[in-house]
Amino acid sequence: EDQVTQSPEALRLQEGESSSLNCSYTVSGLRGLFWYRQDPGKGPEFLFTLYSAGEEKEKERLKATLTKKESFLHITAPKPEDSATYLCAVQVTSGTYKYIFGTGTRLKVLA
Amino acid sequence: DTAVSQTPKYLVTQMGNDKSIKCEQNLGHDTMYWYKQDSKKFLKIMFSYNNKELIINETVPNRFSPKSPDKAHLNLHINSLELGDSAVYFCASSHSGRRNQPQHFGDGTRLSIL
Repeated sequence: EDQVTQSPEALRLQEGESSSLNCSYTVSGLRGLFWYRQDPGKGPEFLFTLYSAGEEKEKERLKATLTKKESFLHITAPKPEDSATYLCAVQVTSGTYKYIFGTGTRLKVLA
Repeated sequence: DTAVSQTPKYLVTQMGNDKSIKCEQNLGHDTMYWYKQDSKKFLKIMFSYNNKELIINETVPNRFSPKSPDKAHLNLHINSLELGDSAVYFCASSHSGRRNQPQHFGDGTRLSIL
């Protein structure tokens, strides 16, 4: 069965304290892996797409990487405005190309 | 110029009532989705339409019926609402034919059943 697992469930960081979020996946075939940011009361906002193992994408303080089994979202010197829930989703190659979401990591960055 | 818009934003109603949620996208996408997000923030696919045709129908009670009048609209009608239906419902859209295309989400409809 296709599955996506994110860890940790919640993370508290001091401002400037770098860390990484993990997204592990077990799928029949990977069409793409997506990272989203979700703020309270809002819908998920697209951050990155990764497809090939070894691929990396960067945006400001965020960097996403991909291996054959997992993806990491590295946050360098985070600021309070980076506080949000970060969601990982995998689009599978089988059948209808549906997207499977992980349960998310709730990040809180303290000033 | 909102990309994916849902109405209403909040919906508070009694158990047993019937209600509808509307979704519209102006991105020119050919595929639209309904997700249910529970209190633990888990997003679970309910339905997906591609060019007005139903392509994903997960294990969802028959009380939920999606309808897509055209590629830009996907509505969700819920009959005989139950307490367990309380959740946030998100509409999303994407390009199906292009690899690595992300989904774009609306801001959700918060459904509360009294």
